[in-house]
Amino acid sequence: GQNIDQPTEMTATEGAIVQINCTYQTSGFNGLFWYQQHAGEAPTFLSYNVLDGLEEKGRFSSFLSRSKGYSYLLLKELQMKDSASYLCAVMDSNYQLIWGAGTKLIIKP
Amino acid sequence: GAVVSQHPSWVICKSGTSVKIECRSLDFQATTMFWYRQFPKQSLMLMATSNEGSKATYEQGVEKDKFLINHASLTLSTLTVTSAHPEDSSFYICSARWFRTSESYEQYFGPGTRLTVT
Repeated sequence: GQNIDQPTEMTATEGAIVQINCTYQTSGFNGLFWYQQHAGEAPTFLSYNVLDGLEEKGRFSSFLSRSKGYSYLLLKELQMKDSASYLCAVMDSNYQLIWGAGTKLIIKP
Repeated sequence: GAVVSQHPSWVICKSGTSVKIECRSLDFQATTMFWYRQFPKQSLMLMATSNEGSKATYEQGVEKDKFLINHASLTLSTLTVTSAHPEDSSFYICSARWFRTSESYEQYFGPGTRLTVT
C-alpha cells in the first residue's frame, strides 16, 4: 500500500530552526510537495521537489532523497506565525497526491 | 503562485436542502480539479477528481449521487451537496492542478468552504 509518515506534532522556539521529516512509500513518484495549513484555512503551497537535493526558498528549505524515500522541510528563524500544520504529499505514478496526516508545529516565545 | 477562488466561504443550510460550491482557477487553466473534505483536526480526504469535460472519479466511500461534481470548463468546477445532513458539515476545499511544464506539476488550493447543516 501507499504510505506517508510524518510526526504528529513538534514544538520549537521562536527564532530557532526546526526540521520536519517525511518518509514515503508510494507506487511511483512524480514529486513531493510541502504545504502549510493554518487552523481553519486551506493549505498553501510551500515547495515541490522532484529531483534529489535541497531547494531553498527564503526561510524555508525542502530536501529530497528519492533512494531513501525521504524528505524534510527546514524552517529557519522561526516566527510565531509559522505555527501551523505542515503537510507532506507525494504525487504517485497516476499523478494523484497521496497525503500525510500533517505535522502540527507549535512555536513558543 | 496561481490563484484559486472558492465561493461561498461559508454557508449554513437546513437539513434536506442542497448547496452548491464553486471553484475557479483565476489566472490559469486547470487540467484537473480536486475536491477534498476535512473534518476538524483531521487530514485532507480526497473526495473526487474531475477533468474538464468528463465525469468525475469518486473515491471509495463517496456517494456520487450525493456529491455532484460538474467541471464545465478549464477554469470552473462545482460541487453540489444534495439533501444535506448534519454529518455533511465539514470544510470543503477544492484544488486545481497546473502542468507548469512537462516535468513540473503544481497544485493550488482554494480558500475552502465551511458548510454547516442544521
